[in-house]
Amino acid sequence: AQSVTQLDSQVPVFEEAPVELRCNYSSSVSVYLFWYVQYPNQGLQLLLKYLSGSTLVKGINGFEAEFNKSQTSFHLRKPSVHISDTAEYFCAVSFPDQGGSEKLVFGKGTKLTVNP
Amino acid sequence: EAQVTQNPRYLITVTGKKLTVTCSQNMNHEYMSWYRQDPGLGLRQIYYSMNVEVTDKGDVPEGYKVSRKEKRNFPLILESPSPNQTSLYFCASSSGLSTSEQYFGPGTRLTVT
Repeated sequence: AQSVTQLDSQVPVFEEAPVELRCNYSSSVSVYLFWYVQYPNQGLQLLLKYLSGSTLVKGINGFEAEFNKSQTSFHLRKPSVHISDTAEYFCAVSFPDQGGSEKLVFGKGTKLTVNP
Repeated sequence: EAQVTQNPRYLITVTGKKLTVTCSQNMNHEYMSWYRQDPGLGLRQIYYSMNVEVTDKGDVPEGYKVSRKEKRNFPLILESPSPNQTSLYFCASSSGLSTSEQYFGPGTRLTVT
């Protein structure tokens, strides 16, 4: 079955520390991968996406993610976080559907809290 | 400005009283969808539409209806709301599905008592 797993529901870190938010998916075929961010009381917005090519993808606000096909992972990283990065982060994967279409599946989210 | 708008942003209603949440996008996107967000469950798709007059069920369609009579609008209808439909609802649009960015509305917080 197609699934997206975000291993940590909450990640507390101190300001200027590095952070990694983990995402794994289950699929034996090629997929497309996304990270979205949801700031408090707002909708989701795209951070970055991987479609093909270089496995290291850079996004907005200094975030980057690395696609690892053998481990079916797409972990999100930032070398030094700011208070303003406090938000919920969602990994999303586009899987091929049985009917020849695509299905977008979201993980359950990781709440990142950056403390001073 | 490219955007997805939803109305109302907040709604408190009673069990059984029909309601509609409107969604509109100004990007000429073909694909639109509705999600609900619940603590610990992430986003779950309710319904989606590939184009005008083309809609299909997502993962949690029970108790909801949608229509797509115009490309820009995709209202979500709760014919007889129940307390288990208390949730945060998001509308999203995109130019495609598999590789395209989803643009999300600001959300509608619904409470059914």
